Amino acid sequence: DAGVIQSPRHEVTEMGQEVTLRCKPISGHDYLFWYRQTMMRGLELLIYFNNNVPIDDSGMPEDRFSAKMPNASFSTLKIQPSEPRDSAVYFCASSPMPTGAVGYTFGSGTRLTVV
Amino acid sequence: GQSLEQPSEVTAVEGAIVQINCTYQTSGFYGLSWYQQHDGGAPTFLSYNALDGLEETGRFSSFLSRSDSYGYLLLQELQMKDSASYFCAFANTNAGKSTFGDGTTLTVKP
Repeated sequence: DAGVIQSPRHEVTEMGQEVTLRCKPISGHDYLFWYRQTMMRGLELLIYFNNNVPIDDSGMPEDRFSAKMPNASFSTLKIQPSEPRDSAVYFCASSPMPTGAVGYTFGSGTRLTVV
Repeated sequence: GQSLEQPSEVTAVEGAIVQINCTYQTSGFYGLSWYQQHDGGAPTFLSYNALDGLEETGRFSSFLSRSDSYGYLLLQELQMKDSASYFCAFANTNAGKSTFGDGTTLTVKP
């Protein structure tokens, strides 16, 4: 398996623009997680899905953020409008279970810079 | 509330042994995981402890004491390539997800 695939690897955008991050989880992994990593706040869970259904979105910072998982092999995280404070590395991870017993497999991340 | 505490930085020399501690506070604790992250890379899974005791995987071992809400990652025969950030994370039965600590930056010196 190619692992968790994220795109783009880097994104530079201007404040106010819409940003869409994409993720393809490992086939057979029923759980998909979106994390954000910054120096100040560390690794924060934004939202996670089980079998394509959002289970917990309590970490989504505000209404500007939205996430979808239309099928088992694709998820998006959208920020509209983007702000400089959204600059971070966004990771997608997948796992066959949520408890971490077999670990989460992380994608390479998208480094987002909002100017 | 829920929290994890681990040291922010640890320094050791090549060939030595280092222990990275992690204390946690949560209800409905399920297990403790450890991840390694190199600069510019993604976190990669190292180990998981659900029961008390020591789990060994090559040069790395992880320990858990549920009664003390404490765990540690032990790295033996340190190599330069072990310089990275190490995160502990717990899974909470209520939330069904893993919460990560702030990470410990390990620097291995020659």
